[in-house]
Amino acid sequence: DSGVTQTPKHLITATGQRVTLRCSPRSGDLSVYWYQQSLDQGLQFLIQYYNGEERAKGNILERFSAQQFPDLHSELNLSSLELGDSALYFCASTTTPEQGFGEAFFGQGTRLTVV
Amino acid sequence: AQKITQTQPGMFVQEKEAVTLDCTYDTSDPSYGLFWYKQPSSGEMIFLIYQGSYDQQNATEGRYSLNFQKARKSANLVISASQLGDSAMYFCAMREGLGGGFKTIFGAGTRLFVKA
Repeated sequence: DSGVTQTPKHLITATGQRVTLRCSPRSGDLSVYWYQQSLDQGLQFLIQYYNGEERAKGNILERFSAQQFPDLHSELNLSSLELGDSALYFCASTTTPEQGFGEAFFGQGTRLTVV
Repeated sequence: AQKITQTQPGMFVQEKEAVTLDCTYDTSDPSYGLFWYKQPSSGEMIFLIYQGSYDQQNATEGRYSLNFQKARKSANLVISASQLGDSAMYFCAMREGLGGGFKTIFGAGTRLFVKA
């Protein structure tokens, strides 16, 4: 168990809908990363938050947004869903950005299926 | 441009033998981190080993070692004494600075099959 909790584990929804994925980082970790893993794109970095602030943005679509709350949990919001958004979404946490090069612990992922 | 390259889509190794999974990377940033992750069929991502760009020694973690050749920009993973449970997808990744934060780039992965 990595200590990073993601909910839900599985999500099936229809095109055009909006969903929210939740991530609770390891105790004491301030930094949260979101990733998308799909068959055609592989593992893609989406966004990083540190202590409530957005710190780095990767290949995140405008239809997607994220935030990190004062209790450090993070949510990834996906809207106007398309079939191509079907993927495994991971979050990972690390202790501090100064240790951003250190190990990152991944949650179990949320498997999103858009039908 | 591809920043992390894993040239071996699939590899076979006999149980108890050593195996090397290749990874090359490309960055102009002098400060970066290199990682290997294991993804079994269950889907979770398991951290294996980390190497910082300024680290002089190659990283080791149990049966895993990272053969870091900075000038060649390679970060190969060596698994010694392979076990059946090592059968999984292996990803090489690089974390580098981006603005005030960090981004991580993953390679396409190598699927390792350990034969009994």
